[in-house]
Amino acid sequence: SAVISQKPSRDICQRGTSLTIQCQVDSQVTMMFWYRQQPGQSLTLIATANQGSEATYESGFVIDKFPISRPNLTFSTLTVSNMSPEDSSIYLCSVGTPRDRVPYEQYFGPGTRLTVT
Amino acid sequence: GENVEQHPSTLSVQEGDSAVIKCTYSDSASNYFPWYKQELGKRPQLIIDIRSNVGEKKDQRIAVTLNKTAKHFSLHITETQPEDSAVYFCAASPPNDYKLSFGAGTTVTVRA
Repeated sequence: SAVISQKPSRDICQRGTSLTIQCQVDSQVTMMFWYRQQPGQSLTLIATANQGSEATYESGFVIDKFPISRPNLTFSTLTVSNMSPEDSSIYLCSVGTPRDRVPYEQYFGPGTRLTVT
Repeated sequence: GENVEQHPSTLSVQEGDSAVIKCTYSDSASNYFPWYKQELGKRPQLIIDIRSNVGEKKDQRIAVTLNKTAKHFSLHITETQPEDSAVYFCAASPPNDYKLSFGAGTTVTVRA
């Protein structure tokens, strides 16, 4: 499977500020996704990062709060904007394997642990 | 959208015994069912998956079964070991889609 890295691995931020999280893959992948995992909870899909077009957001998540970039097939960023303590979570990117079959198997990055004070 | 329910939320087993986690899904069209293992402080790892054209899949000590009629699937871990202690998540994905809907997770503790 692809090697996926995320930066930063963790951060402590003040409310009202923004943080951009990077996700890098060592090979080209068709699909990249961003998830949120609140403490002790399951994984919730924020959006699908589409290369060459705008991200597709899930219900409850909006572009103004979580802008996403996908400039190429190996890299994506997620920004958490105007943060509040409720945004404290682990943010994970995942990638879909480059196969013809749908749906894709997804593999996760190591995550970014965000604490908002 | 797809709704996945997972039971139990916690499971404690004696080392060497078997562990079974069950999930149900709502969308009868879903056709891909992965299982992830997440150890404390680490990323979720895909451990096994099954597609709707098969009823059972096995990989060493883990197996997954799928009952499409009843819309449920299960993870079976045999001869449990301390390193099997983790949170396990099931997920489901409908056809022609790539989104995964996750269950709430099961915390498995293997007692030595």
